Amino acid sequence: EVYLVESGGGLVQPGGSLKLSCAASGFTFSGAAMHWVRQASGKGLEWIGRIRGKAGDYTTAYAASLQDRFTISRDDSKNTAYLQMNNLKSEDTAVYYCANSGLAFWGRGTMVTVS
Amino acid sequence: DVVMTQTPLALSVTPGQPASISCKSSQSLLHSDGKTYLYWFLQRPGQSPQLLIYEVSNRFPGVPDRFSGSGSGTDFTLKISRVEAEDVGVYYCMQSIKLPPYSFGQGTKLEIK
Repeated sequence: EVYLVESGGGLVQPGGSLKLSCAASGFTFSGAAMHWVRQASGKGLEWIGRIRGKAGDYTTAYAASLQDRFTISRDDSKNTAYLQMNNLKSEDTAVYYCANSGLAFWGRGTMVTVS
Repeated sequence: DVVMTQTPLALSVTPGQPASISCKSSQSLLHSDGKTYLYWFLQRPGQSPQLLIYEVSNRFPGVPDRFSGSGSGTDFTLKISRVEAEDVGVYYCMQSIKLPPYSFGQGTKLEIK
């Protein structure tokens, strides 16, 4: 069974940084692209970006409005993907989800509050 | 960016009755590989989104066959043949033909009458 577990969320001041983790199991992590999606309270889904697996040379892609502040990485030895968020703003307050290839499976999310 | 527009934004359905949600994209989602990259997700209250349909009409494993997807090019539809109580939530369409970014529709909230 596929499991994705996000962690690292919390309360951070404006201008601060946070690094989220997504621990994966139940599928071949190294071969999978990993996505991050966020959702502000009561709002819709916003795609943040993705990192491909080894076969895709670990290439990344980001939403244009976030690429200057957000960075996605991965450690295949730990079956974990990461989202580094810098210069956080109040509008970054949201639940952050990770998902695997094709957004087939999602984690339960981790809450980030910028205040 | 590809803009995804869903209608209606909300619907109320009697159990056992059908429901239909439309999703229109600002450009064709037909890729040169022959696939059309349109997905449907359901987010039940308090839960993470879950994949229902991929590439227009393919049900994800475990998704009941009362859910079906159709469409082509820029116009797509999700249909529920007989709505059940567990179908309550927000439905999102999403395109992945052109990134960045993958883009979602605004969401359609389904409630039970």
